[in-house]
Amino acid sequence: DVVMTQSPLSLPVTLGQPASISCRSSQSLVYSDGNTYFSWFQQRPGQSPRRLIYKVSNRDSGVPDRFSGSGSGTDFTLKITRVEAEDVGVYYCMQGTHWPPTFGQGTKLAIK
Amino acid sequence: QVQLVQSGAEVKKPGSSVKVSCKASGGTFTSYAISWVRQAPGQGLEWMGGIIPRTGTATYAQKFQDRVTITADTSTSTAYMELSSLRSEDTAVYYCARDLVIVVITDTYYYYDMDVWGQGTTVTVSS
Repeated sequence: DVVMTQSPLSLPVTLGQPASISCRSSQSLVYSDGNTYFSWFQQRPGQSPRRLIYKVSNRDSGVPDRFSGSGSGTDFTLKITRVEAEDVGVYYCMQGTHWPPTFGQGTKLAIK
Repeated sequence: QVQLVQSGAEVKKPGSSVKVSCKASGGTFTSYAISWVRQAPGQGLEWMGGIIPRTGTATYAQKFQDRVTITADTSTSTAYMELSSLRSEDTAVYYCARDLVIVVITDTYYYYDMDVWGQGTTVTVSS
């Protein structure tokens, strides 16, 4: 199975400051059709996961534009330009290129 | 807009089975697939398996291959996940999520999208 490794696992951030989460895969996530099936999910406390980003850099409907995704091959990043209180939670990366789909361990974002 | 509504919390004895449902509304159930993902207390997300309701084809993670059965009833737009031989380590929240299916002539392509999630079902295994 493809191993997804996130860093950091804990991310204390001051309100209004930027934040960045890294995710590295054990194999390239470029599929034979040329697409990269890599997503980011946010899980707020007590809630279900919510997809934020799909295919590396595409924001889902309703996701604030302070969230952005980038990367290629095996290295990916989620950036938040200015952290707000509602961004508190755990962020997971996920690959869907190789079967079975696998998730990173999660990064807990908290307000300093 | 598709919504996935799951069945309520369950408390089960070790060795028994549990069946969790996931009812879809607001879309065409046969045009997409459903994944099941679980989350043990304080832990991360773990994919268990998925199903294409249109064909009934299910695929399972190797870890759960012998114990999980995923089915779908297109007449009620409901997917089910049944886990047998329960043990304490199966205590978790179980989620269903929508995946993308694309049909090109006779070929069906399954993409693990997970763009819509159910509210989760807590399963507690305890003697």
